Amino acid sequence: AQSVTQLGSHVSVSEGALVLLRCNYSSSVPPYLFWYVQYPNQGLQLLLKYTSAATLVKGINGFEAEFKKSETSFHLTKPSAHMSDAAEYFCAVLYPGYSSASKIIFGSGTRLSIRP
Amino acid sequence: EPEVTQTPSHQVTQMGQEVILRCVPISNHLYFYWYRQILGQKVEFLVSFYNNEISEKSEIFDDQFSVERPDGSNFTLKIRSTKLEDSAMYFCASRSLAGKDTDTQYFGPGTRLTVL
Repeated sequence: AQSVTQLGSHVSVSEGALVLLRCNYSSSVPPYLFWYVQYPNQGLQLLLKYTSAATLVKGINGFEAEFKKSETSFHLTKPSAHMSDAAEYFCAVLYPGYSSASKIIFGSGTRLSIRP
Repeated sequence: EPEVTQTPSHQVTQMGQEVILRCVPISNHLYFYWYRQILGQKVEFLVSFYNNEISEKSEIFDDQFSVERPDGSNFTLKIRSTKLEDSAMYFCASRSLAGKDTDTQYFGPGTRLTVL
């Protein structure tokens, strides 16, 4: 079955520290992978995406993620956390060709808190 | 920058009442989606819509739900007889079929539906 797993429902880091949010997917075919961010009381904003080009993907706000096929992972990182990074982060997968509609399957989300 | 818009931002209704959630997708997009997020849970796919018909729907999307594109700009989700468990944030998304971003779904800010 197609699924995406986010390890850790809540991650807390100090301001200036490394942010690492983990995401693993299950798939027998190469998926497209996304990270979305949801700030309080707002919608889903695309942070970055992997669509079978470069395995290291850079997104907005200094975030990046690396696609590792051997580990079926797509972890999100940021070298130095900022207070404004506090939000809910969703990893998501899309299986091109699975259906023409290409629905997105979301992980359960990771709430990132930043300590001053 | 073009964006998906949704109205209302918050809808409160009584159980058994009909509600219509409205979305205006990005103007040149042709694929439309509804997702929902029950409080504290993951974002779930409901339905996709293309060429004036449903492309795919989830098991959540039962006979109480319907979608429509009544004109050239709006995309609506109707719930005929709301239940308490329909309380959730409903997200609309749209996708282009041309250009370099055909794999990306752009989300609206959501409508929070509260069923009393």
